[in-house]
Amino acid sequence: AQSVTQLDSQVPVFEEAPVELRCNYSSSVSVYLFWYVQYPNQGLQLLLKYLSGSTLVKGINGFEAEFNKSQTSFHLRKPSVHISDTAEYFCAVSAPLFSGGYNKLIFGAGTRLAVHP
Amino acid sequence: DGGITQSPKYLFRKEGQNVTLSCEQNLNHDAMYWYRQDPGQGLRLIYYSQIVNDFQKGDIAEGYSVSREKKESFPLTVTSAQKNPTAFYLCASSENRDVNYGYTFGSGTRLTVV
Repeated sequence: AQSVTQLDSQVPVFEEAPVELRCNYSSSVSVYLFWYVQYPNQGLQLLLKYLSGSTLVKGINGFEAEFNKSQTSFHLRKPSVHISDTAEYFCAVSAPLFSGGYNKLIFGAGTRLAVHP
Repeated sequence: DGGITQSPKYLFRKEGQNVTLSCEQNLNHDAMYWYRQDPGQGLRLIYYSQIVNDFQKGDIAEGYSVSREKKESFPLTVTSAQKNPTAFYLCASSENRDVNYGYTFGSGTRLTVV
């Protein structure tokens, strides 16, 4: 079974500073990895995903994440944040299906990013 | 545009009442999910359905019920047995059983008990 841990519940940062939101996963098989963003009183929006191939994944709004298999991590980064990036960010994991059945995403507890002027 | 529509956006419930939250998708997705979100607790899975006329309990199904009579629709009923229903409810769907495209989420319904 898979699990995911977001290491920081809150991350405060000043505008135009870089930021890293940390995500570690646990799985005995290969994984799919996702980052979602949630603005206040809204649903979740997909930022980026890793399925296979290049370990550096670029997403929307200038975010990127790097898959590190040896560290079982998928940290989200942005070189320069804006006030509008203030939101909650969720990491999620799943595992590819190789036979019948169905699959689900497992979500982390979320990290609240607060960007200050 | 394709997407998931949740309604209403805000809902108020009196003690002892059942209420139904609507979730409709026009993405032709097979699977649909209901999550509950409380401050500081992330997403908790209530029910999910992989195909029409079939659904499974998630981690916190007590006090909730669902139906999946049509592929497009997955309504959630919050019954009077749910003792603390005030929360933000999110509906999601996925294209296939492998979830390699991730989930698409609706914009949520905020339920408040008055």
